[in-house]
Amino acid sequence: GESVGLHLPTLSVQEGDNSIINCAYSNSASDYFIWYKQESGKGPQFIIDIRSNMDKRQGQRVTVLLNKTVKHLSLQIAATQPGDSAVYFCAEKYKGGKLIFGQGTELSVKP
Amino acid sequence: DAMVIQNPRYQVTQFGKPVTLSCSQTLNHNVMYWYQQKSSQAPKLLFHYYDKDFNNEADTPDNFQSRRPNTSFCFLDIRSPGLGDTAMYLCATAEPGLSPDTQYFGPGTRLTVL
Repeated sequence: GESVGLHLPTLSVQEGDNSIINCAYSNSASDYFIWYKQESGKGPQFIIDIRSNMDKRQGQRVTVLLNKTVKHLSLQIAATQPGDSAVYFCAEKYKGGKLIFGQGTELSVKP
Repeated sequence: DAMVIQNPRYQVTQFGKPVTLSCSQTLNHNVMYWYQQKSSQAPKLLFHYYDKDFNNEADTPDNFQSRRPNTSFCFLDIRSPGLGDTAMYLCATAEPGLSPDTQYFGPGTRLTVL
């Protein structure tokens, strides 16, 4: 049968709190980064992106921070809602090439 | 609405019985991708088409094949499915030069091999 699945890191937050999801990327030459949200039974959806010449980008209720020195990316979600419950993946791109996905973090929002 | 459509959403097949998954897009994007996603794991790229040019990932088993008869459609053929091929199969599209430079994913086909 299917190989035993890995256990995703899980973040559990209370509704209304802020969430911070972290990601370490692998290639120091990657120049473009994306956060995706994947709800159960659905494909990944684009949330926000950032280029390597930036260290912060804000969207609606979401902020992405990029630290190239330590190859670290984070996604901050303000006032987390039950609808934010999903698995979140970071992905990196090098020179317009293919996406390389990070491990994923499961966000669980308690009402 | 422009979108990526995958059929069927759920597919059950028997060990060794060939299966074909389909993907269509109304985005008119040049690039189409197939990913395999196993439980609690990140999507894993199998191959992609840049227009008609096929690009296979080095570790994609020979058991997996793909066809892209036109811009809108792309198929994933699994010639002799094994139990380990049970997974979600995701199709995605992209168009170089667009902003954001992202891939647009379909809802996936959940394949179960018995």
